[in-house]
Amino acid sequence: GQNIDQPTEMTATEGAIVQINCTYQTSGFNGLFWYQQHAGEAPTFLSYNVLDGLEEKGRFSSFLSRSKGYSYLLLKELQMKDSASYLCAVRALKAAGNKLTFGGGTRVLVKP
Amino acid sequence: EAQVTQNPRYLITVTGKKLTVTCSQNMNHEYMSWYRQDPGLGLRQIYYSMNVEVTDKGDVPEGYKVSRKEKRNFPLILESPSPNQTSLYFCASTSRSSYNSPLHFGNGTRLTVT
Repeated sequence: GQNIDQPTEMTATEGAIVQINCTYQTSGFNGLFWYQQHAGEAPTFLSYNVLDGLEEKGRFSSFLSRSKGYSYLLLKELQMKDSASYLCAVRALKAAGNKLTFGGGTRVLVKP
Repeated sequence: EAQVTQNPRYLITVTGKKLTVTCSQNMNHEYMSWYRQDPGLGLRQIYYSMNVEVTDKGDVPEGYKVSRKEKRNFPLILESPSPNQTSLYFCASTSRSSYNSPLHFGNGTRLTVT
């Protein structure tokens, strides 16, 4: 089975940096995904990591350590529109139908 | 525009009244799936399909049915809805071509069963 943990909620100030941690346990690993989800809307894909290290995409970066079962999503220069939930998801090795298993999501509130 | 289209967006029904939520994708994806999202529980997979006429149970399949008669469509059927099926439902599709293919989600269907 798989188990994915991430904090429930975080608050940060506009212009600041926030780091959202995700720890996972899986019997076989084939990649970790981060999604952004605004309230009542569909999750949208942010990033994918399968090798250790940092992947940078503009203001957003994602880091993976496979040996520690750990990832984080770093949001820089926070904007009000970044207020959303951020979902960590893991793809197991040979996942049928490319299934993703999701954590509960971290709700980020950006304050002025 | 590449997209997954779900209908309806909102649905209120009563216990026991059969309903269908439709899902269609225009990306020629082989894999499609249904998830439900509940507070504190995250997204949980209900059913998935790897190709036409090939479907299988996910993690929470009880009370649901699906069919895949055409590649683009993957409806979710609740034969006898109950209040514990009140939830936000998402259809998703992805390509089988690569292990790094993300899921593409529809806009969601908020179902309330009274």
